[in-house]
Amino acid sequence: EAGVAQSPRYKIIEKRQSVAFWCNPISGHATLYWYQQILGQGPKLLIQFQNNGVVDDSQLPKDRFSAERLKGVDSTLKIQPAKLEDSAVYLCASSPGVGGYGYTFGSGTRLTVV
Amino acid sequence: AQTVTQSQPEMSVQEAETVTLSCTYDTSENNYYLFWYKQPPSRQMILVIRQEAYKQQNATENRFSVNFQKAAKSFSLKISDSQLGDTAMYFCAFRTQGGSEKLVFGKGTKLTVNP
Repeated sequence: EAGVAQSPRYKIIEKRQSVAFWCNPISGHATLYWYQQILGQGPKLLIQFQNNGVVDDSQLPKDRFSAERLKGVDSTLKIQPAKLEDSAVYLCASSPGVGGYGYTFGSGTRLTVV
Repeated sequence: AQTVTQSQPEMSVQEAETVTLSCTYDTSENNYYLFWYKQPPSRQMILVIRQEAYKQQNATENRFSVNFQKAAKSFSLKISDSQLGDTAMYFCAFRTQGGSEKLVFGKGTKLTVNP
């Protein structure tokens, strides 16, 4: 089966600019996650979707970050305006649904804010 | 809130030898899952092994095994017959059973296997 697709793979922007990341989960996976991985740290959950509804966005900086999952399939994560501390790898993952542990991660987008 | 601690930022091992990576966690939950993930330079997180907290038997996957001590909240990973391809970052992760079921990760251990 195809894996979790993410694009772009790399992105360099200046601070205060905006940026968007895209994720296509494994077909049929109801749950989608966005994680932020700052260099030298483990991934931290930003937002979790169950189909197209938000389950957990408690650690999403809502003043600058937004995310949506249209029709319960693809998802986009946006940052506007970006700050230097947003430099990180943004990982998308999907799983069949609540109660399963079959997480599959994408290869991530490395964002550098200069 | 759950926390996961990996106290070894970096480790190295000679090819074909055995290495153990440490992980401790803190939770008040009784039912949960524990995982070890491998992250090579490609950045994709790859599941190495998982353990259900209600199972007393330690999980094993080929050369990878865990030592799960529930009372001590310890979950170490043993890699036997280390191979060059095992070189990567290794993350210990915790997940509750129920609720949002998000993964909580440690900071990782960088493992280098030397020829």
